[in-house]
Amino acid sequence: GNSVTQMEGPVTLSEEAFLTINCTYTATGYPSLFWYVQYPGEGLQLLLKATKADDKGSNKGFEATYRKETTSFHLEKGSVQVSDSAVYFCALSSASGGSYIPTFGRGTSLIVHP
Amino acid sequence: NAGVTQTPKFRVLKTGQSMTLLCAQDMNHEYMYWYRQDPGMGLRLIHYSVGEGTTAKGEVPDGYNVSRLKKQNFLLGLESAAPSQTSVYFCASSYPKAAPEETQYFGPGTRLLVL
Repeated sequence: GNSVTQMEGPVTLSEEAFLTINCTYTATGYPSLFWYVQYPGEGLQLLLKATKADDKGSNKGFEATYRKETTSFHLEKGSVQVSDSAVYFCALSSASGGSYIPTFGRGTSLIVHP
Repeated sequence: NAGVTQTPKFRVLKTGQSMTLLCAQDMNHEYMYWYRQDPGMGLRLIHYSVGEGTTAKGEVPDGYNVSRLKKQNFLLGLESAAPSQTSVYFCASSYPKAAPEETQYFGPGTRLLVL
């Protein structure tokens, strides 16, 4: 079956530091890949996505590249801000019995200090 | 557009009590989902629906029932609540066109405490 593995957190950084959150996946076929972000007390919201190999998703300074050869979709940001403190979820979606039911990683908490 | 809304926001139940969580979406989405979120466990899919009148089991369906009588609503029921069902419950919906690149839209969550 499908699965998503994320690095465990929390990840603690100082403001303006470089961020990488690793995500690898196992899936049959050609899944779409997503990063969702959950701010404290809120539901998840889409941060970025990529639908085919070598695609790069980007939003709000975050980027992730769909690497089929390494089955990875690592999230990066060049300079984090305190407001980026949140939980980040990697996810994939692919056809399974005709239904496109997403699979989520366990989430990685990011804490950014001033 | 209100997006995805959930009712109630917070509830305390005693063991054995029943309750229904309501999810509503105004985006004409075909797919709707119920998840639970527990510390260290990420999101786990309870039940989902691919259209009005249809439901299916997810990863952790035991102790829950669902109904999708109207396209815009997806109800999650707990017939006899247990402390293990203490969690934060999220509803989500996604675009009508079935495709892998569908984005899910999440509600704000319902925090449930079972004593």
